[in-house]
Amino acid sequence: AQSVAQPEDQVNVAEGNPLTVKCTYSVSGNPYLFWYVQYPNRGLQFLLKYITGDNLVKGSYGFEAEFNKSQTSFHLKKPSALVSDSALYFCAVGSGNTGKLIFGQGTTLQVKP
Amino acid sequence: DAGVIQSPRHEVTEMGQEVTLRCKPISGHDYLFWYRQTMMRGLELLIYFNNNVPIDDSGMPEDRFSAKMPNASFSTLKIQPSEPRDSAVYFCASSLWTGATNTGELFFGEGSRLTVL
Repeated sequence: AQSVAQPEDQVNVAEGNPLTVKCTYSVSGNPYLFWYVQYPNRGLQFLLKYITGDNLVKGSYGFEAEFNKSQTSFHLKKPSALVSDSALYFCAVGSGNTGKLIFGQGTTLQVKP
Repeated sequence: DAGVIQSPRHEVTEMGQEVTLRCKPISGHDYLFWYRQTMMRGLELLIYFNNNVPIDDSGMPEDRFSAKMPNASFSTLKIQPSEPRDSAVYFCASSLWTGATNTGELFFGEGSRLTVL
């Protein structure tokens, strides 16, 4: 069975500082990993994905994520946070040849000026 | 493309009433998903379809919930009878998967916020 864990309910960072939002996963076979962002009263928006290849994946709005197979992690990172990055972030995992994604509980990112 | 379109955006109803939520996926996408989001349970996958066929409905809470996809451009999620604990935001999402090495991301609608009094 697929599962994904986001150990932090909330992450607080100061504007301009680097940010990390953590995600670990469990899946049979090769994982397909995704990050999504949700702003208030909106649907989820795709940020980036890892399917295969380079372990460092670059996505929208300056975000990137690093796939670590040995640690079964896929942490989201950004070198310099913006106040506008404040939102709810979801990690998701899929596997096999289905379109099914399982989402983590979400992490609220708060970037303070 | 207009994206995934959901209706209604907001629904307030009384316990016992029937609720129907609607979704139009992105044209050409072959997967459609219904998720439910609550503060307590986060984002839960209720059911998903591939080429209009239900593949996994193990997330549907109980028999009061049903979902259909009569064609590639329309799906419904029905709750009958509704209960206060069904209050949540219901999201529809679609994707295009062209093979094991070319997977597509989910595109979400804006959600339908359901309040059952």
